[in-house]
Amino acid sequence: AQKITQTQPGMFVQEKEAVTLDCTYDTSDPSYGLFWYKQPSSGEMIFLIYQGSYDQQNATEGRYSLNFQKARKSANLVISASQLGDSAMYFCAMREGWGNQGGKLIFGQGTELSVKP
Amino acid sequence: DAEITQSPRHKITETGRQVTLACHQTWNHNNMFWYRQDLGHGLRLIHYSYGVQDTNKGEVSDGYSVSRSNTEDLPLTLESAASSQTSVYFCASSESRDHQETQYFGPGTRLLVL
Repeated sequence: AQKITQTQPGMFVQEKEAVTLDCTYDTSDPSYGLFWYKQPSSGEMIFLIYQGSYDQQNATEGRYSLNFQKARKSANLVISASQLGDSAMYFCAMREGWGNQGGKLIFGQGTELSVKP
Repeated sequence: DAEITQSPRHKITETGRQVTLACHQTWNHNNMFWYRQDLGHGLRLIHYSYGVQDTNKGEVSDGYSVSRSNTEDLPLTLESAASSQTSVYFCASSESRDHQETQYFGPGTRLLVL
């Protein structure tokens, strides 16, 4: 069964507008972490933001925020004030457990974001 | 600055040859991982290690092997390269003592098997 689902293969957003990239997950482990990575056309994987399953508040990192809805098992990435440099592939990933019992990431298939000038 | 490097960055090989992709990290992280990225599949885990002498199979481990003789390195070996192993390979590392266990990725290796 797919554990991480990103239902938007591609999205467009106007420069300076906000955009939400969807991610839903499935796990029975109460301890998990959710990550978003950015992959620009150059190919590297860049860590953006992290949300732990026990974190009470939604994570924020600069223009990135994570809309974490635990009951709905969703962890959507919100990018505010989009910039041309935000054009990239975005991956949602989940880690179940910690340390020697966890550590592995399961990735979604990605959403390609294009920012229009 | 600490970093994670991969070599070579690009490789062309022939079917049946043995190929080794190098991964070296200077973060002093316990955990290291190998993924492959193919269109339509995102990133899939090949092998991983939680420390020296520890290795584990991931989702798509057939045809691949790893060994961990020190903290810094986790080389990935394709025993007998197949065209289906044409892909982009990423190495990553993380630290168990970091409660997030964020994985930091190398720049990737593009492998073409002819």
